[in-house]
Amino acid sequence: NAGVTQTPKFQVLKTGQSMTLQCAQDMNHNSMYWYRQDPGMGLRLIYYSASEGTTDKGEVPNGYNVSRLNKREFSLRLESAAPSQTSVYFCASSGWAYEQYFGPGTRLTVT
Amino acid sequence: QQPVQSPQAVILREGEDAVINCSSSKALYSVHWYRQKHGEAPVFLMILLKGGEQKGHEKISASFNEKKQQSSLYLTASQLSYSGTYFCGTDPEGGGGSNYKLTFGKGTLLTVNP
Repeated sequence: NAGVTQTPKFQVLKTGQSMTLQCAQDMNHNSMYWYRQDPGMGLRLIYYSASEGTTDKGEVPNGYNVSRLNKREFSLRLESAAPSQTSVYFCASSGWAYEQYFGPGTRLTVT
Repeated sequence: QQPVQSPQAVILREGEDAVINCSSSKALYSVHWYRQKHGEAPVFLMILLKGGEQKGHEKISASFNEKKQQSSLYLTASQLSYSGTYFCGTDPEGGGGSNYKLTFGKGTLLTVNP
């Protein structure tokens, strides 16, 4: 039982490049989330998916797109990376018990 | 709007107590508490629901004052393993079911020294 997995763990991009962060969970959870964490800012919700086939914007969605591929997988895409998107990205999932389970995170640097 | 946490940082000796506060400008349905150790993912501690009871987890407990839109996390007889950053997450909408759209505070860094 792996919980929530994220790939890659680290990534360096140049301004303007695109990439997709992958997230998968094996807990049969309905809801999945993408957060970014910047020093001194806490966790900020980018997008979330209440259930398979639905997605919705969080606090800071600009510059990102998401896809809920199936119940297990929720990906985050940066179409044209900017230095302001340098951050640690966490994926999380939750079931009916309210608790959110977080993945190990992806550390992204945009130069 | 982000809830406000206080203090921003606290340093304790092992065995001492601490209180971390979380205050919101909106009426709340629930407050969630998480702990994050350096370089790791946040881990759920507890949730407090409107109209619910005070919750406890080991020697960590919390309260929720709905009228004041505040929650407090109590750490008693702190252990070295309690070190980390504590975040409160607030849900003003009552998403129901498994969908909780949380707004997190900026965190409180707790350091427990021997």
